[in-house]
Amino acid sequence: ETGVTQTPRHLVMGMTNKKSLKCEQHLGHNAMYWYKQSAKKPLELMFVYNFKEQTENNSVPSRFSPECPNSSHLFLHLHTLQPEDSALYLCASSQDRQRGVTDTQYFGPGTRLTVL
Amino acid sequence: AQKVTQAQTEISVVEKEDVTLDCVYETRDTTYYLFWYKQPPSGELVFLIRRNSFDEQNEISGRYSWNFQKSTSSFNFTITASQVVDSAVYFCALSEARDDKIIFGKGTRLHILP
Repeated sequence: ETGVTQTPRHLVMGMTNKKSLKCEQHLGHNAMYWYKQSAKKPLELMFVYNFKEQTENNSVPSRFSPECPNSSHLFLHLHTLQPEDSALYLCASSQDRQRGVTDTQYFGPGTRLTVL
Repeated sequence: AQKVTQAQTEISVVEKEDVTLDCVYETRDTTYYLFWYKQPPSGELVFLIRRNSFDEQNEISGRYSWNFQKSTSSFNFTITASQVVDSAVYFCALSEARDDKIIFGKGTRLHILP
């Protein structure tokens, strides 16, 4: 496997379900990101991890819970979601986060989530 | 505040035509980074280019070229001799060095017609 992979690619869940999205990067990077892409909205940054530490939470509702057990893996745990949470969830990674330099972020293929 | 504007929501051209995608940005920072990404129907955002604010040299990569003009705060992307496989949504993005968050434009959907 190369690059950034995400599983599952598609997910349909009810509002009372609990599910998790998985992201894995094979690039040797130290920073990982979750983005949400809804129709007609710009890409929204949700969470950032740098060397396994969460460095950013962009006012994301608590029904989204990220987890980064190591620099290669990132999870997004979902529970009691709302229909408006239906979107494409993209994971990305970059070398690391340092002030003054923006490394290129490399993206996975995304998980298309539908909440019924 | 930083901002990226892609005024063209959707463009359609016939295969083999040249097409330019516009990107205008706003920033108060003197050090910043500009990006272009391609998002084909599969969903993955594919990195195309990263340019820092101190490098105004235009870049060419095969059929792709980028024109960076600080005077007009623009970073336009041109595809020459377009092909059907170029059909995708293209995003321009900006990051200020002091913040290092990447802010994306709303994207331009490009249709290349056979």
